[in-house]
Amino acid sequence: DTAVSQTPKYLVTQMGNDKSIKCEQNLGHDTMYWYKQDSKKFLKIMFSYNNKELIINETVPNRFSPKSPDKAHLNLHINSLELGDSAVYFCASSQGRGGWEQYFGPGTRLTVT
Amino acid sequence: LAKTTQPISMDSYEGQEVNITCSHNNIATNDYITWYQQFPSQGPRFIIQGYKTKVTNEVASLFIPADRKSSTLSLPRVSLSDTAVYYCLVGGGNAGNMLTFGGGTRLMVKP
Repeated sequence: DTAVSQTPKYLVTQMGNDKSIKCEQNLGHDTMYWYKQDSKKFLKIMFSYNNKELIINETVPNRFSPKSPDKAHLNLHINSLELGDSAVYFCASSQGRGGWEQYFGPGTRLTVT
Repeated sequence: LAKTTQPISMDSYEGQEVNITCSHNNIATNDYITWYQQFPSQGPRFIIQGYKTKVTNEVASLFIPADRKSSTLSLPRVSLSDTAVYYCLVGGGNAGNMLTFGGGTRLMVKP
């Protein structure tokens, strides 16, 4: 069974569109994260939720909106997509908030044309 | 906010010990230091975590000096399958503390 899953794995879309990426973890973890990895492989945290509560909200455009319907899911919605949004987006989860070991999903490669 | 820097790349040969250092001068008092390994087209995978001194597990050791402004990941006797990108992550000491990844070190292990 996959511990942290993301859908879709690949997403190609045009500028201006709105898209969502879904993430689910079956580890029973309380905390989930979204990271962005750019073309130079830099990893940067975007958001973190603990038991459906937003605890880290890094400086990202407000076109990005996370949503956690329950503690096993953290979805990422992106409005008005721009070329610069092209990247690989990783979801992760950990047992608790703070310095716990994180389990990462396989990533979603977003290409905006 | 901890600024975290690592060498961009390193080369090694099979069977050698590899040490990758991460610099984090502004580490906060309660922050942890965690190292992850990433293969192409995969998510990062946890290797080891520490707070101070030395930590060892079945795959690596982590050395952290007393001032905690740097840390060194040590991989004993690397093999070709250890070719990957290695990231250090600093933060998480207090709930809500920022988590800052280094830029990653691309390790190439040669036969």
